[in-house]
Amino acid sequence: EIVLTQSPGTLSLSPGEKATLSCRASQSVSSNYLAWYQQKPGQPPRLLISGASIRATGIPDRFSGSGSETDFTLTIRRLEPEDFAVYYCQQYGISPLMFTFGQGTKLEIK
Amino acid sequence: EMQLLESGGGLVQSGGSLRLSCAVSGFSLSDYAMSWVRQSPGKGLIWVSSIGGGYGTHYSESVKGRFTVSRDHSENMVYLQMSSLRAEDTAIYYCVKDETPYNGIWDAFDIWGRGTKVIVSS
Repeated sequence: EIVLTQSPGTLSLSPGEKATLSCRASQSVSSNYLAWYQQKPGQPPRLLISGASIRATGIPDRFSGSGSETDFTLTIRRLEPEDFAVYYCQQYGISPLMFTFGQGTKLEIK
Repeated sequence: EMQLLESGGGLVQSGGSLRLSCAVSGFSLSDYAMSWVRQSPGKGLIWVSSIGGGYGTHYSESVKGRFTVSRDHSENMVYLQMSSLRAEDTAIYYCVKDETPYNGIWDAFDIWGRGTKVIVSS
């Protein structure tokens, strides 16, 4: 089973700054089957990125994903007030037994 | 618009049972794998169970043998029958849809319901 470790646990930034969130896998993630989600309080998660770098429908282009194998990054350039939330990475693939989530990174306003 | 609407959550005693329902609209249920993901209070996301378009089912180790996922294409519904419930099953349960029609890959989740809360009292 692949374990996803996100860092940092909490990231404190100001609107307008750039956020860099990390997701590290304990083994290589096949075919870059890595997704990122955003969750705000009281809401379900929202898919931001799949395939490590493909933005989901309607996601602003200030969100970008990168990385491969064991190291993945979600970058949010020029933070907007609505971007402060918890972000999760997730692995998926040829079996649902591969569905694992990272523990989350909380992006908070500094 | 693609939507998922869960129902059936509530307060149940340890050892009891509940059936969660997920009403699907805006897409053809038969084309997509569907899953359930749960989130305990203040915690992260945990995959619970999945059902493919061909009705193949999969479960996390923590619920295997206690939970049963099913789907009814004629009613556009997905279900999660939960039995022998434990305090650690307390969570919000989300019904989720795979991003792309099933093609051998169990995909990222592009549509989430708002969730239904299950509380198991010991």
